[in-house]
Amino acid sequence: DAGVTQSPTHLIKTRGQQVTLRCSPISGHKSVSWYQQVLGQGPQFIFQYYEKEERGRGNFPDRFSARQFPNYSSELNVNALLLGDSALYLCASSLDPETGGAWDTDTQYFGPGTRLTVL
Amino acid sequence: AQKVTQAQTEISVVEKEDVTLDCVYETRDTTYYLFWYKQPPSGELVFLIRRNSFDEQNEISGRYSWNFQKSTSSFNFTITASQVVDSAVYFCALSSGNTGKLIFGQGTTLQVKP
Repeated sequence: DAGVTQSPTHLIKTRGQQVTLRCSPISGHKSVSWYQQVLGQGPQFIFQYYEKEERGRGNFPDRFSARQFPNYSSELNVNALLLGDSALYLCASSLDPETGGAWDTDTQYFGPGTRLTVL
Repeated sequence: AQKVTQAQTEISVVEKEDVTLDCVYETRDTTYYLFWYKQPPSGELVFLIRRNSFDEQNEISGRYSWNFQKSTSSFNFTITASQVVDSAVYFCALSSGNTGKLIFGQGTTLQVKP
């Protein structure tokens, strides 16, 4: 079975531009999460979407937005790019954020990431 | 506040040595999940293990083993007889508060030399 896929693999943009990153979850997974990983650090949570609804949001400015489509794929948009937005953007999918009851948390499986460079 | 600390930034060992990666976490929730992920140079995070806060049994999977101790808020990862292919960055992560948000540590870079 195919894992989480992300496109594009690499992207170079200039300050002030806008970028859209795409993610397709594992077949059957309904939840998609986005993380930003700056070089040398652990990933930071940006968004989680489940059934097209935003379920959680990290401490990121409004320049960051996302959406989930009926086929559970997702897009992450970043407007007015800054140099500090240069990072590896990781998408993760899980079966259901609350499988088995309110106390459960499904494992998140990650894609290969999109490396964004802002010049 | 929730936090994960991986105090070891880099570890270098020679092949066949055993190595333990430390992870200490902070959370006020009674129900939470702990994870380990491996990130090879390709960049993709590879899932290794998930434990919930109610299960303190240690787990072994081949050369990998995990020691979960709630009393010290630690979830350490041991690789026995390390191999060059184990070279990667390893992340410990915490999920709690009934959300899917993963809180990652800073990661430990493991270098296994032949």
